[in-house]
Amino acid sequence: GAVVSQHPSRVICKSGTSVKIECRSLDFQATTMFWYRQFPKKSLMLMATSNEGSKATYEQGVEKDKFLINHASLTLSTLTVTSAHPEDSSFYICSAAPGDANHEGLFFGSGTQLSVL
Amino acid sequence: GQQLNQSPQSMFIQEGEDVSMNCTSSSIFNTWLWYKQEPGEGPVLLIALYKAGELTSNGRLTAQFGITRKDSFLNISASIPSDVGIYFCAGPHPTNAGKSTFGDGTTLTVKP
Repeated sequence: GAVVSQHPSRVICKSGTSVKIECRSLDFQATTMFWYRQFPKKSLMLMATSNEGSKATYEQGVEKDKFLINHASLTLSTLTVTSAHPEDSSFYICSAAPGDANHEGLFFGSGTQLSVL
Repeated sequence: GQQLNQSPQSMFIQEGEDVSMNCTSSSIFNTWLWYKQEPGEGPVLLIALYKAGELTSNGRLTAQFGITRKDSFLNISASIPSDVGIYFCAGPHPTNAGKSTFGDGTTLTVKP
């Protein structure tokens, strides 16, 4: 199956610093990727849709200046949590689909556990 | 908006037991997906259902798409410790795959 690689898997940072998370589609091109946030034992919450070559589309309530998304190539999207604070601590997951996601499902990265001290 | 309600919220079972979990929706979906998420990982697709009434198996897993298109169940037979994880049902969004509606998940714990 298709592979989506996410890095880093875990990051601990000080409050006020910025953290960049990478999401790569390894064996397919993805014009669209998705970023989610997940709290412990909760479902996935879509934050934004990353569009190659254009601006990301953010879901209601998600601060675009706080969560910067860049999708500069067909295989890489990055999420930067700017000026991170403890309340930003969470599990962040990306996903993409090589084909019809509504028919074949999404392929998810392995997630990034962010802990802000 | 659309909602998917999963039950039970969590299950604690003994290795070897069969498991059944279900998912109900407030609206109709044309496709129904079941994902498994292991601790510290992203979800992985287990089974996809496309037709009302469809019964599909994947190894020890069996899932059915309800006739009304508003519900689905997932069964796991002869559970093993590696079945541990959170099982999510999901209904695709018609125009944005990333906006799929996910249930809150069923957390499965299997005791050896």
